[in-house]
Amino acid sequence: KAGVTQTPRYLIKTRGQQVTLSCSPISGHRSVSWYQQTPGQGLQFLFEYFSETQRNKGNFPGRFSGRQFSNSRSEMNVSTLELGDSALYLCASSLAPSGIEQYFGPGTRLTVT
Amino acid sequence: GENVEQHPSTLSVQEGDSAVIKCTYSDSASNYFPWYKQELGKRPQLIIDIRSNVGEKKDQRIAVTLNKTAKHFSLHITETQPEDSAVYFCAGTETGANNLFFGTGTRLTVIP
Repeated sequence: KAGVTQTPRYLIKTRGQQVTLSCSPISGHRSVSWYQQTPGQGLQFLFEYFSETQRNKGNFPGRFSGRQFSNSRSEMNVSTLELGDSALYLCASSLAPSGIEQYFGPGTRLTVT
Repeated sequence: GENVEQHPSTLSVQEGDSAVIKCTYSDSASNYFPWYKQELGKRPQLIIDIRSNVGEKKDQRIAVTLNKTAKHFSLHITETQPEDSAVYFCAGTETGANNLFFGTGTRLTVIP
């Protein structure tokens, strides 16, 4: 099976812009979670989607949003970008939302200038 | 919410020696604890996990132990090899949720 894929892999944006990141889970996996990784804050949970519904949301401002499509692919959107949004954004897929194995994608490296 | 603490932040061992990384958690509802290995520039890779109904789990040179009463769990790597050098993250969550709470990571260096 192909692994989790994310596009784009690298992105440079300026403050105030918005960005959309995409994640395709492992075939058959229906749960997608998103995480932000920074040197200062480590790995932090953003949100989780299952069956096109957001099940959990981390402690991030409303500028961060996401959605999931019927084929389980997910997108996350960040509006009004700030310098502090520069990070590696990782998505992880799992069969179901029940505390089981999550497999990470390669991430999207977002740089905000 | 859950708070996972991880120690040490850096660890250097000689090739062939054992390495131990320890984590504590705060939420007694947490019952799933995975460990991830992240090499430089790569994605976190699940290496082993344990659930709260099990005290210990082994997979070749890697083992994880869990003490529910004390709310701590540990990763043990025996016969370390240079390719074990990476950052290791512990995490915890409760069954029915996929919001992993991660520790701050341990940078393991295995010296040949």
